[in-house]
Amino acid sequence: QKEVEQDPGPLSVPEGAIVSLNCTYSNSAFQYFMWYRQYSRKGPELLMYTYSSGNKEDGRFTAQVDKSSKYISLFIRDSQPSDSATYLCAMVGPNTGNQFYFGTGTSLTVIP
Amino acid sequence: DAGVIQSPRHEVTEMGQEVTLRCKPISGHNSLFWYRQTMMRGLELLIYFNNNVPIDDSGMPEDRFSAKMPNASFSTLKIQPSEPRDSAVYFCASSVRGPYEQYFGPGTRLTVT
Repeated sequence: QKEVEQDPGPLSVPEGAIVSLNCTYSNSAFQYFMWYRQYSRKGPELLMYTYSSGNKEDGRFTAQVDKSSKYISLFIRDSQPSDSATYLCAMVGPNTGNQFYFGTGTSLTVIP
Repeated sequence: DAGVIQSPRHEVTEMGQEVTLRCKPISGHNSLFWYRQTMMRGLELLIYFNNNVPIDDSGMPEDRFSAKMPNASFSTLKIQPSEPRDSAVYFCASSVRGPYEQYFGPGTRLTVT
């Protein structure tokens, strides 16, 4: 079983839609959860990170962590064509021996 | 502020040749990471330095790969000899707050023919 599972998509939505991107994980020691956005032929860009459970909001983006279900989500409200990119989740924990893991990424296209 | 700088941006080489990729982390960052990204395998961590010391190199695929960080502002990833299966985009990232807030460079696209 992979440490982090992420549906690769592709996901295609109309402009203005609410987008939900998700990852599941197997290691309950993970405590930091990150979301990166990667445009084509660019390096990943950190969107936001959360510590432990709960929600974190930044503009149109909301990150949600459910540690009981080992499930994290990134919601994008009022999606824009400029949100078209690949979104990668990542996670790390204090007891994972400096190991941290990236999901394989979900490709998102927002259609004008 | 300048971000992570990588060079070259593109590299095309023949099998068997030595390849050296370079990275300059963001000033003040004390952690540096090398990754390889392919369509098949996604983003893979190769090696992780903290304060110029290699912390975890378990992701380095084999002895053909080596990485150095002689000082806080420079790191290299060397492949010798290169093979076609090494073709990928190689990213360098740096951080001041550990692995949970990494800033990536633009990557080096390596093609080995």
